[in-house]
Amino acid sequence: ILNVEQSPQSLHVQEGDSTNFTCSFPSSNFYALHWYRWETAKSPEALFVMTLNGDEKKKGRISATLNTKEGYSYLYIKGSQPEDSATYLCAFTSGGFKTIFGAGTRLFVKA
Amino acid sequence: DADVTQTPRNRITKTGKRIMLECSQTKGHDRMYWYRQDPGLGLRLIYYSFDVKDINKGEISDGYSVSRQAQAKFSLSLESAIPNQTALYFCATSEGANYGYTFGSGTRLTVV
Repeated sequence: ILNVEQSPQSLHVQEGDSTNFTCSFPSSNFYALHWYRWETAKSPEALFVMTLNGDEKKKGRISATLNTKEGYSYLYIKGSQPEDSATYLCAFTSGGFKTIFGAGTRLFVKA
Repeated sequence: DADVTQTPRNRITKTGKRIMLECSQTKGHDRMYWYRQDPGLGLRLIYYSFDVKDINKGEISDGYSVSRQAQAKFSLSLESAIPNQTALYFCATSEGANYGYTFGSGTRLTVV
């Protein structure tokens, strides 16, 4: 059974704080790791897809790292803004190309 | 027009009724997926299709069926709806396993 865990479940930060969340996934049969940003009343939007151990991706103030050997990925947000408030989902794609999502980390950024 | 369109956006139906949720995409992708989202849980895979002739069960396919009518269309049916199928349903497409998904706007289904 594939299991993708995200922590923390929710996070409250002040505007300007930097923050990070964790996604844990099986370290075997890895194919890809996805991160999505999901705003309330909208659809999830893809942030990053990473496929190689050691990959690092960056989009503006958001970045992500990948460790496939130990089965974790970190998402970092530098200088959080209220518009960063959303649920951040990670998803693990196995070698069989089935993609399993974590339950998400809900971020609240207070102005 | 949206890349992935789901209809209806909201639906209330009675227990035992048959209901179809429709999804169409203009991305030209072969891969299409149906997920459901319940509070506190991740998106759970119901069915997926890698091309028109390929249909695969996901984690929670019981009580659901799908039809891939064309590359652009992938519909989800609940043969006899039950209250615990009340959820937010998402259709998605992707270009391949190492590409991100494009999601539709979701269908909020309530079974009473």
